[in-house]
Amino acid sequence: SQQGEEDPQALSIQEGENATMNCSYKTSINNLQWYRQNSGRGLVHLILIRSNEREKHSGRLRVTLDTSKKSSSLLITASRAADTASYFCATALSAQKLVFGQGTRLTINP
Amino acid sequence: SAVISQKPSRDICQRGTSLTIQCQVDSQVTMMFWYRQQPGQSLTLIATANQGSEATYESGFVIDKFPISRPNLTFSTLTVSNMSPEDSSIYLCSVEGTSGGAYKQYFGPGTRLTVL
Repeated sequence: SQQGEEDPQALSIQEGENATMNCSYKTSINNLQWYRQNSGRGLVHLILIRSNEREKHSGRLRVTLDTSKKSSSLLITASRAADTASYFCATALSAQKLVFGQGTRLTINP
Repeated sequence: SAVISQKPSRDICQRGTSLTIQCQVDSQVTMMFWYRQQPGQSLTLIATANQGSEATYESGFVIDKFPISRPNLTFSTLTVSNMSPEDSSIYLCSVEGTSGGAYKQYFGPGTRLTVL
């Protein structure tokens, strides 16, 4: 079964607003990663947060990790139309092996 | 980072036929991964392919249905055999990379397969 569950499944916001997506998982992890997928194409790695980290930033992205609650969130600030995509969290249970969540479909309306 | 290409990018196939998907990487890598993404779903790992050894399949996937070749460190193929409409999916290959000592994966653009 999938390790990660994400909510919401779909999110639609206005350009310029912030978008927050959440991911929960079940087992202990080495790290948690977020990927973006545009229109059913390949995935692009966005950011990785290790199990001993609580927060990480990369440009307009902010990721938090709460290992006690087995959850993570991805915040995209000042959203743009180009941010429209599906976003997946992936947990690394061991070296090289990733298990992906169900994903959040994000739509940015102009 | 690795640059990965896949062929074909999409195909429409008839039930009962087979399709071989190619994955080419611009650098040598030890491990390559094959995923399936059914319509509207997340990614599911099919198998891990190491050069010079048999692929390791995940639960629910078997070699007879998804034979994999890994002839060298930059190339792999996945064959979807005896296809049925349920095999309609996006098939993605990926390779490992590292970021600050932690593993991440680089993905190819995917092959969109429709089985009629």
